[in-house]
Amino acid sequence: AQSVTQLDSHVSVSEGTPVLLRCNYSSSYSPSLFWYVQHPNKGLQLLLKYTSAATLVKGINGFEAEFKKSETSFHLTKPSAHMSDAAEYFCVYSGGYQKVTFGTGTKLQVIP
Amino acid sequence: NAGVTQTPKFRVLKTGQSMTLLCAQDMNHEYMYWYRQDPGMGLRLIHYSVGEGTTAKGEVPDGYNVSRLKKQNFLLGLESAAPSQTSVYFCASSYLGQGDSEAFFGQGTRLTVV
Repeated sequence: AQSVTQLDSHVSVSEGTPVLLRCNYSSSYSPSLFWYVQHPNKGLQLLLKYTSAATLVKGINGFEAEFKKSETSFHLTKPSAHMSDAAEYFCVYSGGYQKVTFGTGTKLQVIP
Repeated sequence: NAGVTQTPKFRVLKTGQSMTLLCAQDMNHEYMYWYRQDPGMGLRLIHYSVGEGTTAKGEVPDGYNVSRLKKQNFLLGLESAAPSQTSVYFCASSYLGQGDSEAFFGQGTRLTVV
């Protein structure tokens, strides 16, 4: 069965320091993977998407993620956190037609 | 650009009441979805549609019905609301199917069933 696990429910960083949000998946297929961001009282917005073209994927707002098949991971990173990055982040796995699983989310707090 | 619009944004229902949530998209997308979001559980798919006149069950369809009479609209109905349906509901649309293209989300409907 396909699944996706976000390893941290909450992450707190200081403004200007790096961000790391962890996501692991389990699947026997070659997946598509996404990261979405949800700001308070808003809908979800796509940050980036992996579909096997390149293992390092660059997204919006300075975020990027690296697909590591050997570690079954797709961690989201940003070199320097900004206050506006405070939000909830969802890792999303797709293993085929209409087979999409959302992770449980990681809330990012950015401390001034 | 309106994108995906949900109405209403907030609603309080009494147990047993019915209601319909409306989702409208102006991007000419074939695919539309209804999700519910509960704390610590991510988003779970309720129903989806792959085109006008089609609907299909998702992961948690019980207690909900949907209709897609027009391509731009996707309605979610609760015939007899239960407290377990207290949640935030999101509508989304996409050009291709889930996992193949970006999904665009509405701002959500916060529903409380008392």
